[in-house]
Amino acid sequence: DAKTTQPPSMDCAEGRAANLPCNHSTISGNEYVYWYRQIHSQGPQYIIHGLKNNETNEMASLIITEDRKSSTLILPHATLRDTAVYYCIGFNSGGSNYKLTFGKGTLLTVNP
Amino acid sequence: DTGVSQDPRHKITKRGQNVTFRCDPISEHNRLYWYRQTLGQGPEFLTYFQNEAQLEKSRLLSDRFSAERPKGSFSTLEIQRTEQGDSAMYLCASSLAEKLFFGSGTQLSVL
Repeated sequence: DAKTTQPPSMDCAEGRAANLPCNHSTISGNEYVYWYRQIHSQGPQYIIHGLKNNETNEMASLIITEDRKSSTLILPHATLRDTAVYYCIGFNSGGSNYKLTFGKGTLLTVNP
Repeated sequence: DTGVSQDPRHKITKRGQNVTFRCDPISEHNRLYWYRQTLGQGPEFLTYFQNEAQLEKSRLLSDRFSAERPKGSFSTLEIQRTEQGDSAMYLCASSLAEKLFFGSGTQLSVL
């Protein structure tokens, strides 16, 4: 699985968009980009994933660059409840073992 | 969908004691994972089951650790002769495919 690099922390004002970057320059062609988040004292929660097209769901949008070396997770209107550690994970889902390798992630703090 | 359930939420034990944690996955999920997380780090993979078969174990899973998933339903993780370095959050996850669903974890403190 690809190594990913994320900033250790970011701040965002409540109601504004939170843009969380992730570098994955070694990602291979069949590896997806997955985002999970972990709110304090809870287990990680799936947010979104994509291969090369931009993706949107009810939680967030994922923008992947054309060369697939980086991506941005966008929370369009951040709330205080979005304060969490966000993990970007490069993952090859071609096999049957869906083991995720987590890094340290980005601690997003949403301020009132 | 009641989610992944883990019991207990917190466990305090003395060094040298044995502890056992339980995980109840989402009912139709055939894959089950155990992870360990220490403060300030992301979760680290420990082991993986497909149905009742344990298919992969991390080298982090020393011989003091054993995991089972009888009948392919709930799973238990046992740590024998606990050490202070075992203090961590133990997370269980289940899946049908690529999206993992995590429980809230068991926080273990070894005194």
